Amino acid sequence: KNQVEQSPQSLIILEGKNCTLQCNYTVSPFSNLRWYKQDTGRGPVSLTIMTFSENTKSNGRYTATLDADTKQSSLHITASQLSDSASYICVVPPGNTGTASKLTFGTGTRLQVTL
Amino acid sequence: DAGITQSPRHKVTETGTPVTLRCHQTENHRYMYWYRQDPGHGLRLIHYSYGVKDTDKGEVSDGYSVSRSKTEDFLLTLESATSSQTSVYFCAISSTQHRSGFTTDTQYFGPGTRLTVL
Repeated sequence: KNQVEQSPQSLIILEGKNCTLQCNYTVSPFSNLRWYKQDTGRGPVSLTIMTFSENTKSNGRYTATLDADTKQSSLHITASQLSDSASYICVVPPGNTGTASKLTFGTGTRLQVTL
Repeated sequence: DAGITQSPRHKVTETGTPVTLRCHQTENHRYMYWYRQDPGHGLRLIHYSYGVKDTDKGEVSDGYSVSRSKTEDFLLTLESATSSQTSVYFCAISSTQHRSGFTTDTQYFGPGTRLTVL
């Protein structure tokens, strides 16, 4: 069964500090991996998509890494801001479908940035 | 938000009553999806649609039905609501991008509907 596991489940950090969120997956075949940000009371919003040929990708203060050999991805947030407080969800679709109908969602990491 | 709206945004109903949630999109996307989100679970697919009157089941489809009579609207119906269907429901569309020789689908989500079944 395809699975996506995220850690930690929740995290509290001080504003200005860095943090790293982890995602391990067993989805096969692999095509790409996505990170979404979900603010409280809102729908998830895509942060980045990484294909199997990409190791690192940055989107502002967010940097995602991918190791397709170990089936791990991380999301690093630099100089955190209060607005980074949200759930971060790792999503992996199997590589043999083009309809996005079989996405496997992680349960997310709940990040709280405090003063 | 890719032009996705959901209605109602909040609803409280009683066990055994029918409930219909509506998803509306303005950008003519072919694929639409209904998910539910519960604590301790990732988003789980209920049903999806790949065109007008074309729908298929997801992993948690029992107790739910859907209809899509026109491209812009995708309806989710709980024929007889149960307390286990208390959840937050998200509608999504998928948009295909072609980049660096790869084709990827990105899902864009609506704002969600919080449903409470008493």
